[in-house]
Amino acid sequence: DADVTQTPRNRITKTGKRIMLECSQTKGHDRMYWYRQDPGLGLRLIYYSFDVKDINKGEISDGYSVSRQAQAKFSLSLESAIPNQTALYFCATSDFWRGGVSETQYFGPGTRLLVL
Amino acid sequence: GQNIDQPTEMTATEGAIVQINCTYQTSGFNGLFWYQQHAGEAPTFLSYNVLDGLEEKGRFSSFLSRSKGYSYLLLKELQMKDSASYLCAVRGQAGTALIFGKGTTLSVSS
Repeated sequence: DADVTQTPRNRITKTGKRIMLECSQTKGHDRMYWYRQDPGLGLRLIYYSFDVKDINKGEISDGYSVSRQAQAKFSLSLESAIPNQTALYFCATSDFWRGGVSETQYFGPGTRLLVL
Repeated sequence: GQNIDQPTEMTATEGAIVQINCTYQTSGFNGLFWYQQHAGEAPTFLSYNVLDGLEEKGRFSSFLSRSKGYSYLLLKELQMKDSASYLCAVRGQAGTALIFGKGTTLSVSS
């Protein structure tokens, strides 16, 4: 089984709808992240969480919200979807940084979202 | 500000060697990562550098110069399956999220 899973894998929605993308991990990592990827723009950070009581905004958090329901679960919501939120969304996890040891991020398979 | 630059596209032939460069300007430095991403798939971890010098891992090597804000990924004995995007990412402050460059799309032809 995959260590980091995302549901759904593909989603088509309409402008103004609220949708939720879910991420689950079995790696036992404390830290979780949401990125979006657009052609020519690379991966951009939306939100990240270092534990269940910690939520931080990333580079492009406007129009998004998140919920860290448990150590293993981190959800991303689009409150009112708009067409420029059409993108490939990735969840990632990493372990706590222990000085000198790399805190490698591991990515889920992605959710392809189309907003009409 | 924080900025990571890498070439947009590169081409090479099977069996050849290719070097993908990355320059960065970040607030602090706690490691540089290279990821490989095939079209439509998740990025997968390739290498990590935190000290100056070369890290070798099979056909792939990564080099870092912190004083120059520079890294490269060296791919040897290229294979068709190496056609992918290669993402350079930097951790600025310890324990923060990675900042990614826009990626370099490598096309390997026979």
